[in-house]
Amino acid sequence: DAGVIQSPRHEVTEMGQEVTLRCKPISGHDYLFWYRQTMMRGLELLIYFNNNVPIDDSGMPEDRFSAKMPNASFSTLKIQPSEPRDSAVYFCASSFMSGGAETQYFGPGTRLLVL
Amino acid sequence: EDQVTQSPEALRLQEGESSSLNCSYTVSGLRGLFWYRQDPGKGPEFLFTLYSAGEEKEKERLKATLTKKESFLHITAPKPEDSATYLCAVRLGAQKLVFGQGTRLTINP
Repeated sequence: DAGVIQSPRHEVTEMGQEVTLRCKPISGHDYLFWYRQTMMRGLELLIYFNNNVPIDDSGMPEDRFSAKMPNASFSTLKIQPSEPRDSAVYFCASSFMSGGAETQYFGPGTRLLVL
Repeated sequence: EDQVTQSPEALRLQEGESSSLNCSYTVSGLRGLFWYRQDPGKGPEFLFTLYSAGEEKEKERLKATLTKKESFLHITAPKPEDSATYLCAVRLGAQKLVFGQGTRLTINP
């Protein structure tokens, strides 16, 4: 398997622009997670889905952030409008819940810089 | 409040010099403790899951142990390729992981 795929790998944009990050989870996985990593706050969970349904979005910082999962093989995280404080590395991860044991597998991340 | 604290923040060792990384947690209802390795510019890579006090897992030069309040990642005779940031996370509820800030490990040849 190719693992979790994220695009783009790097994104530079200007404040106020819309940013869309994309993720393809590992085939057969039924959970998908979006994380943000910064030096100050470390790795934080933003939102996660189970079978394409959002389960917990309590980590989404504000209404400028939205996430969708239209099908089992694709998810997007959108920031509109973007702000410099959104600069971070955004990771997507997926997992398969089996017998109570699960491991989250992470993608390579999208490094976002908002100027 | 659920918290995960890792120490030290950074650790520099000579090749072959064994040591341990610490992960202490204060959570209600621990449902698994995870160790990940993260190389610069990459996503975290899964190492171990521990579920109950007394449990141990090993992989090559790494061994993870768990008590009721902390976990240790022991590294024996490390090599330069073991240099990375090691992240600890605890699972809360169904699927939510809360991560510590990580320990940056550097192994000098």
